[in-house]
Amino acid sequence: EPEVTQTPSHQVTQMGQEVILRCVPISNHLYFYWYRQILGQKVEFLVSFYNNEISEKSEIFDDQFSVERPDGSNFTLKIRSTKLEDSAMYFCASHNRNTEAFFGQGTRLTVV
Amino acid sequence: AQSVTQLGSHVSVSEGALVLLRCNYSSSVPPYLFWYVQYPNQGLQLLLKYTTGATLVKGINGFEAEFKKSETSFHLTKPSAHMSDAAEYFCAVSHNNAGNMLTFGGGTRLMVKP
Repeated sequence: EPEVTQTPSHQVTQMGQEVILRCVPISNHLYFYWYRQILGQKVEFLVSFYNNEISEKSEIFDDQFSVERPDGSNFTLKIRSTKLEDSAMYFCASHNRNTEAFFGQGTRLTVV
Repeated sequence: AQSVTQLGSHVSVSEGALVLLRCNYSSSVPPYLFWYVQYPNQGLQLLLKYTTGATLVKGINGFEAEFKKSETSFHLTKPSAHMSDAAEYFCAVSHNNAGNMLTFGGGTRLMVKP
C-alpha cells in the first residue's frame, strides 16, 4: 500500500541552525501539507502546497519557514534559524482531489 | 473559522466495554468531519470520515461515528473495546472532502484495561 515517507524520524539541532525536513508524498498525489504537533498540544496546520506554490499558510508559517518541491518526488520543509519553540513533531500529508489526506509517520524535531 | 473540541484528553475503558470519544465542532460552512488514530510512533491514520449523505458513518476496526448537526457533534464509538484500540484519537474538521487544511481537536488518549 502506498504511503507517505518522512525522513529523518528524529532530528536534533542546535538553536539558530537551519534544518530541512524531508517528505516523499504518495506518487500520484497533487496536494501537499505540513502540520506540526508540539508535545501535549494540538496538531496544527502549517502550510499547503499545490501546483508548485503555496496555496494556504497559517500564522505559524512565518518567514523562517519555507517549503519546496525540488524534484518530482520530494517535498521539504526548511526552518532557517531554529528556535527552542520549534521543537515538535512535524507531519507531512498528501492527497488527490477526491481523497482524504494521508499522513507520514512524522519527524520529531528537537532544538537544543 | 473552524474549531474542534474533544472532551476528555484521556479516556480509560475495560476490554469489551463501550468506547465513546466525544467531538464537537464549529464551522461557518457545512463541515467535513474526520477521525484519525495515531498508534505509538506512527503517523495519523484515517478511521472514518463524514462528507455528505448518511449521518452514521462506519470506519475501520469496528468504529463508527454519527454526525449530529443539531448538536454540532461527531462522537466516535465502538461497541466493544479491544486492547489493540489503545491509541490517540483525533477529530478534525475541514471545509471540503479532500481534507484541505484540517483543523484538529486536542486529541483523546484511549487506554484499554484488561
